[in-house]
Amino acid sequence: QKEVEQNSGPLSVPEGAIASLNCTYSDRGSQSFFWYRQYSGKSPELIMFIYSNGDKEDGRFTAQLNKASQYVSLLIRDSQPSDSATYLCAALEVYNFNKFYFGSGTKLNVKP
Amino acid sequence: KAGVTQTPRYLIKTRGQQVTLSCSPISGHRSVSWYQQTPGQGLQFLFEYFSETQRNKGNFPGRFSGRQFSNSRSEMNVSTLELGDSALYLCASSLSARAAYEQYFGPGTRLTVT
Repeated sequence: QKEVEQNSGPLSVPEGAIASLNCTYSDRGSQSFFWYRQYSGKSPELIMFIYSNGDKEDGRFTAQLNKASQYVSLLIRDSQPSDSATYLCAALEVYNFNKFYFGSGTKLNVKP
Repeated sequence: KAGVTQTPRYLIKTRGQQVTLSCSPISGHRSVSWYQQTPGQGLQFLFEYFSETQRNKGNFPGRFSGRQFSNSRSEMNVSTLELGDSALYLCASSLSARAAYEQYFGPGTRLTVT
C-alpha cells in the first residue's frame, strides 16, 4: 500500500514566523512530489513541485526533498494569515502515469 | 486562459440513483484525472484519462466509471448511489508530461446522497 503521511495538525505559527510542513512517503518508486494549498470549501491549488534531492525555492516557499529518507517538506517564510489553509502533499509515480497519492493534509493556522 | 470547469457545482441525489458529472479541462490539456475528497479519507484518486483512454484507475468499485471525449472533456458516472458516495468530486487537468508536471484542479462538484 503506497502511502503519503502528513501530520494533520493544526500547526499554529505567529505571523512573520517560518512554518514547516512535513511529509513522508512509503514508495521508493515515487519520483516527483507536489505541495497543494486548499482553503476551506475550495479546491486544491498547486504551490510547487520538486523531483530532485535538495531545496527548491519559489518566493516565500521552499520545498525540500530527501529521497534517501523518503521525506519532503515545505517551508513558508514570513507566514501571513492568508497562508492559513490545509496543505496537501502528493507523490507521483513516474512509471505510473498521472497517478497521484495524496496525504491527508496539514492544517496551518497563522495567527496575527 | 480559462481554468478547469466542472458542472454541476452542487447535486443532491437519493440512494440507488445514478449521477453524471462533467469536467472541461484547461485548453490544450489532454489529461484529466478525477478524485473523491471526503473528510475521513482525504483526496483519493479515481481514474485518469488521456486521449480518450483510461490509463489509470484507483481502488473504487465498478459503480464508478468515466470517459473522455475527443475534445478532452470528461465525464464520470456513479451508478446505484450509496450514502458513502457523498463527497466533493474534483477533476484535474494537466499537459501530461512524462516527468514532473503540473496538475490544476477544478472547483469540484459537491454530491450529497440522501
